[in-house]
Amino acid sequence: NAGVTQTPKFQVLKTGQSMTLQCAQDMNHNSMYWYRQDPGMGLRLIYYSASEGTTDKGEVPNGYNVSRLNKREFSLRLESAAPSQTSVYFCASSELRDRDTEAFFGQGTRLTVV
Amino acid sequence: GQSLEQPSEVTAVEGAIVQINCTYQTSGFYGLSWYQQHDGGAPTFLSYNALDGLEETGRFSSFLSRSDSYGYLLLQELQMKDSASYFCAASTDSWGKFQFGAGTQVVVTP
Repeated sequence: NAGVTQTPKFQVLKTGQSMTLQCAQDMNHNSMYWYRQDPGMGLRLIYYSASEGTTDKGEVPNGYNVSRLNKREFSLRLESAAPSQTSVYFCASSELRDRDTEAFFGQGTRLTVV
Repeated sequence: GQSLEQPSEVTAVEGAIVQINCTYQTSGFYGLSWYQQHDGGAPTFLSYNALDGLEETGRFSSFLSRSDSYGYLLLQELQMKDSASYFCAASTDSWGKFQFGAGTQVVVTP
């Protein structure tokens, strides 16, 4: 059971380049998320998708776009990368249940924009 | 605005007990979760409180008081492997959207 798989694990971009971070989950979860983590700032929500075909902005959506391709896959796109987007990006998925809501995270993508 | 406040760092010796407090201010609230993260790896789920009271899972317990907008994670019988960052996270809508605190670095010393 792979859980949440993110690709790539590491990436270096030049300012202005674009790229797409891929995420897939095999747990049949409805909700999927993209977070960024910067030192001392915890995890900040970029975008989330409550179900296939829907996406909503989180705390820090500027400079990013997302696509919920199907129930399994949720991608994050940087159209024109900036040094401020240097961060570790985590994808997560979850299923809301009455007594327990556990989010499962991918291993992260370490992105450096130079 | 929305926020979750937790201490930045706690240091304790092996075998001790540590309590990590979390106060939250969110526009919607459905429950409080706790996650552990080692050295920038994937955060892993520890516990979730939807109702007031104490939830116990082995050496870890979590508490929630909705009236006080407050919760805590209790780590008992600390082990070296418990050295990690711990995050509280509030579920802020009915779909399970999470907002995280900045994290507490727990350092366990021999």
